[in-house]
Amino acid sequence: KNQVEQSPQSLIILEGKNCTLQCNYTVSPFSNLRWYKQDTGRGPVSLTIMTFSENTKSNGRYTATLDADTKQSSLHITASQLSDSASYICVVRAEKKSSGDKLTFGTGTRLAVRP
Amino acid sequence: DAGITQSPRHKVTETGTPVTLRCHQTENHRYMYWYRQDPGHGLRLIHYSYGVKDTDKGEVSDGYSVSRSKTEDFLLTLESATSSQTSVYFCAISVGAGTDTQYFGPGTRLTVL
Repeated sequence: KNQVEQSPQSLIILEGKNCTLQCNYTVSPFSNLRWYKQDTGRGPVSLTIMTFSENTKSNGRYTATLDADTKQSSLHITASQLSDSASYICVVRAEKKSSGDKLTFGTGTRLAVRP
Repeated sequence: DAGITQSPRHKVTETGTPVTLRCHQTENHRYMYWYRQDPGHGLRLIHYSYGVKDTDKGEVSDGYSVSRSKTEDFLLTLESATSSQTSVYFCAISVGAGTDTQYFGPGTRLTVL
């Protein structure tokens, strides 16, 4: 069964500090991995997408890494801001020949950035 | 929210009543999806559509039906709502399948008493 596990479930950090969120997956065959940011009361918004051949991708203060061999990904947030307070969701897509995506969503890490 | 609107945004209903949620997009994207989000679970796919009148089931489709008579509208119907269908429902769109990004709507919070 395809699964995506994220850790920690929740995290509190002080403004300006860095943090790293983890994602482990057992999705096979692997196609790509995305990180989404979900603000409270809003829909998720894509931050990064990584395919099998990519091991690092940045989007501003967000840097995602992928180790396809160990099936692990991380999202590193640098110099956190209050606006980074949100849930961060790891989503892994399996290769599927028929129409429609086959996505497996993690339950997310809830990040709170305190002043 | 990538030109996606959902209506209503909030709804409280009673067990056994029918409920229809609407997703409207302005981008004419081919693919549309309905998900539900519950505490302790990741987003779970209910149904999706790959064109007008073309729909298919997701992993949690029992108790739900969908219709897409126009490119821009994707309706999710709970024929007889149950308390287990209390959830936040998200609509999403994508230009294509595969590696294309899914863009999510703002969500509908449904409470079934």
